[in-house]
Amino acid sequence: DAGVTQSPTHLIKTRGQQVTLRCSPKSGHDTVSWYQQALGQGPQFIFQYYEEEERQRGNFPDRFSGHQFPNYSSELNVNALLLGDSALYLCASSLANPVDTIYFGEGSWLTVV
Amino acid sequence: GQSLEQPSEVTAVEGAIVQINCTYQTSGFYGLSWYQQHDGGAPTFLSYNALDGLEETGRFSSFLSRSDSYGYLLLQELQMKDSASYFCAVPGGATNKLIFGTGTLLAVQP
Repeated sequence: DAGVTQSPTHLIKTRGQQVTLRCSPKSGHDTVSWYQQALGQGPQFIFQYYEEEERQRGNFPDRFSGHQFPNYSSELNVNALLLGDSALYLCASSLANPVDTIYFGEGSWLTVV
Repeated sequence: GQSLEQPSEVTAVEGAIVQINCTYQTSGFYGLSWYQQHDGGAPTFLSYNALDGLEETGRFSSFLSRSDSYGYLLLQELQMKDSASYFCAVPGGATNKLIFGTGTLLAVQP
């Protein structure tokens, strides 16, 4: 049973470019959340997708957008990259029930130069 | 707003016991979770306290006092592999969106 898988694991982009990160949730999970984790800090909630719709959003600008597909996989898109977007981007999957355990992927390391 | 405070670093020796504290301020409370993260990899769920008291899972225990807005993670019989960052987290409302604490870097020395 595969856990949460993310791709790519590492990537380098230039300021102003756009990036797409991908996530496949744990088998049986229908809810996907994305987090940004800067070096030395805790993960910060970006948004959550359920039934192909954005259900909740954290305090991130509109440059951050996402999508969930019918198979529950998800993408995170970031436009007009800034140096400050350099971080580890974590995908988390769960069931919609708030008391269920949340599982994280290994993350995608994004470096903006 | 919502915030969770933890000590930034803790150092202990193999075989010892260490306690990592977490104080929180939240609007509404739905329980306190603890996560372990090695070298920026995937945060791994350790424990969850919805009610006051101690929850024990092997070498790890977690405690919650809702009246004090305080919890801690207790790690016993420390091993080198326990060197990692530990985060407390609370659900941000009645959903499974998580708000994480500042994180505690635990260094276990021989």
